[in-house]
Amino acid sequence: KQEVTQIPAALSVPEGENLVLNCSFTDSAIYNLQWFRQDPGKGLTSLLLIQSSQREQTSGRLNASLDKSSGRSTLYIAASQPGDSATYLCAAPSGYGNKLVFGAGTILRVKS
Amino acid sequence: EPEVTQTPSHQVTQMGQEVILRCVPISNHLYFYWYRQILGQKVEFLVSFYNNEISEKSEIFDDQFSVERPDGSNFTLKIRSTKLEDSAMYFCASSEGMTGSSGYTFGSGTRLTVV
Repeated sequence: KQEVTQIPAALSVPEGENLVLNCSFTDSAIYNLQWFRQDPGKGLTSLLLIQSSQREQTSGRLNASLDKSSGRSTLYIAASQPGDSATYLCAAPSGYGNKLVFGAGTILRVKS
Repeated sequence: EPEVTQTPSHQVTQMGQEVILRCVPISNHLYFYWYRQILGQKVEFLVSFYNNEISEKSEIFDDQFSVERPDGSNFTLKIRSTKLEDSAMYFCASSEGMTGSSGYTFGSGTRLTVV
């Protein structure tokens, strides 16, 4: 059974800092892993999708890595901005099935 | 960029009433899903749907829930007799393939409040 854990639960940083959000998953038999952003009371916006054949995926200031063997993924945010304040969710498929299992998220606050 | 559209954005209903949440998945996607998020809790899977039938459902998805694709574009979630604990944000999602090889696209959600 897939379980996804995210650390830290919350993070408060000054503007401009580089930061790392961590995600671990128990079942490494996955095709991919996806990172989402959720603003308060809003929907889920896909940030990055990493295929199991990739080690990294980049979009602008965001970089996500995937290490299936250790069951870990990290989301790196460079030069953080107040507009990055949101909850970041990691989601992994349940093995080779087609449902996503979500972590509880990391609540990020970037102070100006 | 293609979007998953959900309506309504917010619905308030009385306990015991039936509600239907609506979704328009991305047109070339074949797999459809419903998830829910109770306030302050994780996003959790409810059901997946492919080829006009349920392919997987969670233990949350009991007899009071049903899904339907009534036409070529809409995908609905019906809750037959709502309970207070059904209050949550409900998200519809779609994917092109079974393993989400191109990722899953989520709608902006329907906030359901049962009073």
